[in-house]
Amino acid sequence: TQLLEQSPQFLSIQEGENLTVYCNSSSVFSSLQWYRQEPGEGPVLLVTVVTGGEVKKLKRLTFQFGDARKDSSLHITAAQPGDTGLYLCAGATGGSNDYKLSFGAGTTVTVRA
Amino acid sequence: AAGVIQSPRHLIKEKRETATLKCYPIPRHDTVYWYQQGPGQDPQFLISFYEKMQSDKGSIPDRFSAQQFSDYHSELNMSSLELGDSALYFCASSLEGQGDYEQYFGPGTRLTVT
Repeated sequence: TQLLEQSPQFLSIQEGENLTVYCNSSSVFSSLQWYRQEPGEGPVLLVTVVTGGEVKKLKRLTFQFGDARKDSSLHITAAQPGDTGLYLCAGATGGSNDYKLSFGAGTTVTVRA
Repeated sequence: AAGVIQSPRHLIKEKRETATLKCYPIPRHDTVYWYQQGPGQDPQFLISFYEKMQSDKGSIPDRFSAQQFSDYHSELNMSSLELGDSALYFCASSLEGQGDYEQYFGPGTRLTVT
């Protein structure tokens, strides 16, 4: 059973359009991290959100953590072909010195030129 | 900046053989996590170490063991390999002793069991 539900699973849009990826759970997380992964490579950390209601921006990417720290969203403005990839959300659970990550199933984003 | 190093990058083994995967965390990082990612799946947590002590255990088979050494590098030992063990194995490191729990992943080791 997936602790984190990511939607949509696949997203194909035209260059210049906006997109939003959602990550939902019934569990509360210490923090939530968003990664981007290329085929056969390790996930690359994009951002970590910690505080309920927190919003972080990374150029055209906006990340939001839900008030109850159970859900998050990733919004990309004016998507470019370089944004194509697999986006994974991961929630951290555990105590101090032990923050194992539970991943969502991922959203494959394709941005067409 | 230095990243997490994993070796080997690719490994081919036969059923029932053993394999050892190595992970060198980012310098000064004190925590290492191991994850397994099957084809088309998300990474699954296996085991973690903080300051050379096992801190948590996930869905790691009894055939697998791991440890973290005095220089903080970690090794994942896999015995009696099965076809289903074929996967990408990632190591991630963080500096949790100072409250920085962001995990940085290595490039992975692709294990193929034939």
